[in-house]
Amino acid sequence: SQQGEEDPQALSIQEGENATMNCSYKTSINNLQWYRQNSGRGLVHLILIRSNEREKHSGRLRVTLDTSKKSSSLLITASRAADTASYFCALNTGTASKLTFGTGTRLQVTL
Amino acid sequence: KAGVTQTPRYLIKTRGQQVTLSCSPISGHRSVSWYQQTPGQGLQFLFEYFSETQRNKGNFPGRFSGRQFSNSRSEMNVSTLELGDSALYLCASSLGQANTGELFFGEGSRLTVL
Repeated sequence: SQQGEEDPQALSIQEGENATMNCSYKTSINNLQWYRQNSGRGLVHLILIRSNEREKHSGRLRVTLDTSKKSSSLLITASRAADTASYFCALNTGTASKLTFGTGTRLQVTL
Repeated sequence: KAGVTQTPRYLIKTRGQQVTLSCSPISGHRSVSWYQQTPGQGLQFLFEYFSETQRNKGNFPGRFSGRQFSNSRSEMNVSTLELGDSALYLCASSLGQANTGELFFGEGSRLTVL
């Protein structure tokens, strides 16, 4: 399967702490994207990192990509209760708009 | 700019019936993709349409079909519904062409099959 595997499956932290999620995959990619989903709703794009990039930042988000290890990580710094959601990595292998999603990490940020 | 709009948001059907879901992409977006999300299988790609042509197809039976109209609006149809078709169906739009960038998702249509 080309599906990304994410860990942990669930993560519970307190507000202000950092949250790190990891995504491992098996195939070659064109880019890797991270999405967020609030309970049962649509997905929101967070950040995209291309295969020739190693690190990207966007606000409180930091994404790293190691193509030799076929892995990526998403770091959310100074978490807020509003960050509570499921986070998915998504692989683009170069086929137009088709994405292969990971299994997701459920993040719970408590006050 | 209006986002991706999916209708209906919720629906309940019985086994054997068929269902049609609708998706209006962001203005100017020519690519529409459909995904199925279930607790067991996660997010799975159904198909993608670009300029009224199916460009990619996932690994789903022929009961799942779709189409795209000249205004880029898309519909997907599931015939002979099975219990396992209960899912959140998500539509996403993008500029298309050779785009391999971000997708913009709608809120989804939650289908329950009884």
